[in-house]
Amino acid sequence: NAGVTQTPKFRILKIGQSMTLQCTQDMNHNYMYWYRQDPGMGLKLIYYSVGAGITDKGEVPNGYNVSRSTTEDFPLRLELAAPSQTSVYFCASSYPIRGQASTGYEQYFGPGTRLTVT
Amino acid sequence: QKEVEQNSGPLSVPEGAIASLNCTYSDRGSQSFFWYRQYSGKSPELIMFIYSNGDKEDGRFTAQLNKASQYVSLLIRDSQPSDSATYLCAVGGNEKLTFGTGTRLTIIP
Repeated sequence: NAGVTQTPKFRILKIGQSMTLQCTQDMNHNYMYWYRQDPGMGLKLIYYSVGAGITDKGEVPNGYNVSRSTTEDFPLRLELAAPSQTSVYFCASSYPIRGQASTGYEQYFGPGTRLTVT
Repeated sequence: QKEVEQNSGPLSVPEGAIASLNCTYSDRGSQSFFWYRQYSGKSPELIMFIYSNGDKEDGRFTAQLNKASQYVSLLIRDSQPSDSATYLCAVGGNEKLTFGTGTRLTIIP
């Protein structure tokens, strides 16, 4: 299993440009997430999905869009990039620990995309 | 708003000693608690999870949970230079997690 893969690894955008960050997982997990991490900060949830066709906003969704047409793929779209979107973006997928939602969901992270908007 | 608090550090510990990392959380409905290790420039890696009060041991790592005090800790015994990293505490009540800002740990040879 490759786990969670993300492309690209690095990207520099000019203000106002758009791009899509790709995320794919091969573990057949229903749950997928997009986070951003700013220097010295924790992870902030942007969007998440509980299955194909179902997405919901997280803590910081403004300026981003997502779609989930398959179990494997969960792309993140940045429209009209702004310097405030300079960050490291992590995609993750999860499954319920021991098959029980009551014990929590173990999240596996991709390697990240380092994005700079200038 | 759910909050997870950690001391940002840096926490410096001599090699071979015990490193103690602490985390408090605000949501009493939280059910699952995780510790992630993140090396500089890398993605978070799950090292421990706990969901019942008490201690859970895995090798050199022990997670401790006290739901009444809303407190989670991670102990690393026999600290090694390879343990130098940022440790993120994460708390969940459902399929989502709330992360702390992390504690930077440095093991001094």
